[in-house]
Amino acid sequence: NAGVTQTPKFRILKIGQSMTLQCAQDMNHNYMYWYRQDPGMGLKLIYYSVGAGITDKGEVPNGYNVSRSTTEDFPLRLELAAPSQTSVYFCASSRDRVDEQFFGPGTRLTVL
Amino acid sequence: KNEVEQSPQNLTAQEGEFITINCSYSVGISALHWLQQHPGGGIVSLFMLSSGKKKHGRLIATINIQEKHSSLHITASHPRDSAVYICAVRYSGAGSYQLTFGKGTKLSVIP
Repeated sequence: NAGVTQTPKFRILKIGQSMTLQCAQDMNHNYMYWYRQDPGMGLKLIYYSVGAGITDKGEVPNGYNVSRSTTEDFPLRLELAAPSQTSVYFCASSRDRVDEQFFGPGTRLTVL
Repeated sequence: KNEVEQSPQNLTAQEGEFITINCSYSVGISALHWLQQHPGGGIVSLFMLSSGKKKHGRLIATINIQEKHSSLHITASHPRDSAVYICAVRYSGAGSYQLTFGKGTKLSVIP
């Protein structure tokens, strides 16, 4: 099992550009999450999903969108990149709401 | 505001020392997680607990629900334990999907 995979590992964007961060898991987990990690700060939840077709906002959703068309995939879309979105992004999944979460390797995004 | 506080922020230890990292939170929780973030950035779950104590190898996690406090202990520390240790809590309440994370404790173990 690959677990949780994320692509790309690194990306530099210009202000106003768009991109999609990919996340996939092969553990048949219902719950998936997107977090951002800023230097010196705790992880913050951007969006989460409790199953295919169901998504909801987390603590810091502004500037992002998600979709969940399959159990395996949970892409995160940045429509108009801003310098404030420079961060490391982690995708995670869990079997259920109260279970441990499995994290992907992260995507380091810089917006210039 | 529900917050998770970790101490110390940074910790340097000699190989073989006993390490304690602390986590405190403000209101009732349904579960507390300890996570390890490697120098390369990857995050792995170490423990999830709601009461008492759990042990895995040289790692021990304890929680005191009344005092709203948890500790992560590392016995016989080794340089490979060098990492950032993160505490996260799930607050009680219906629909509590979110974890609230502490800022992490950076541990460096010197040979």
